[in-house]
Amino acid sequence: GAVVSQHPSRVICKSGTSVKIECRSLDFQATTMFWYRQFPKQSLMLMATSNEGSKATYEQGVEKDKFLINHASLTLSTLTVTSAHPEDSSFYICSALTTSGTNYGYTFGSGTRLTVV
Amino acid sequence: DAKTTQPPSMDCAEGRAANLPCNHSTISGNEYVYWYRQIHSQGPQYIIHGLKNNETNEMASLIITEDRKSSTLILPHATLRDTAVYYCIASTGGGNKLTFGTGTQLKVEL
Repeated sequence: GAVVSQHPSRVICKSGTSVKIECRSLDFQATTMFWYRQFPKQSLMLMATSNEGSKATYEQGVEKDKFLINHASLTLSTLTVTSAHPEDSSFYICSALTTSGTNYGYTFGSGTRLTVV
Repeated sequence: DAKTTQPPSMDCAEGRAANLPCNHSTISGNEYVYWYRQIHSQGPQYIIHGLKNNETNEMASLIITEDRKSSTLILPHATLRDTAVYYCIASTGGGNKLTFGTGTQLKVEL
C-alpha cells in the first residue's frame, strides 16, 4: 500500500535556528502534498498545499517566509521552519494524495514532533 | 468543504460494535465522506470513504443516509487498539485539501 515517510520523527532545536522536515512518498508519485500542524489536544490545521514544481499555496495566517516549502520532485516535499521560536513547537504532519490501488485517498506521514528551546 | 459535526467523545465496550455518527447537512453532490483516525502522537490513518452508497472494507463499514446529510462509521468488533480520535471529513477529493474538524475521541474499554 501507499506509504509516506516523514523524517525526523522528533527534533529539538534552539530558538533562532532553522529546522527541515522531509516528507517522502515511498512507493508512489505525489504531485500534491499537504502540510499540517497540530497543537496539543487540538485538531490538525492545514498550513499549506505543496505542488511539485510550483510554489506552495499557504493557508490564511501562515507565514510563507517562516515556513518554507519545497516540492522539487514527485516523491519529496520539505518544510523548513526558519528562525524557530518556542511557539513553533508543535506536531507537524505531511500528507500525500494517492491516486491508484486500493488505498486511493490521502496518506499521512507519522508526524514530526518539533520542540524549540 | 462542507462542515461536519461529530460528538466530542464516545465510549465502547471491547468486542461490541462502535457506531460513530457524523452530520454533514450542507454536503454538496460531488463531496465524498472520508473517515480517518488518529492514535495518540501518530499521523492520521485512512479508514474508509464513500459518496452515496454504503461501503465496507476490512476495517469498517460506512453507512450514508439517502439524503447524504449524515453518516455513521461502524467498527464491528471494537478492540482496545481502536481507541483513537475519529475524524469525519467532507471533501471533493482529487487533490483538494482535507479540512479536519474536532473529531470524536473513541475510548474502547474492557
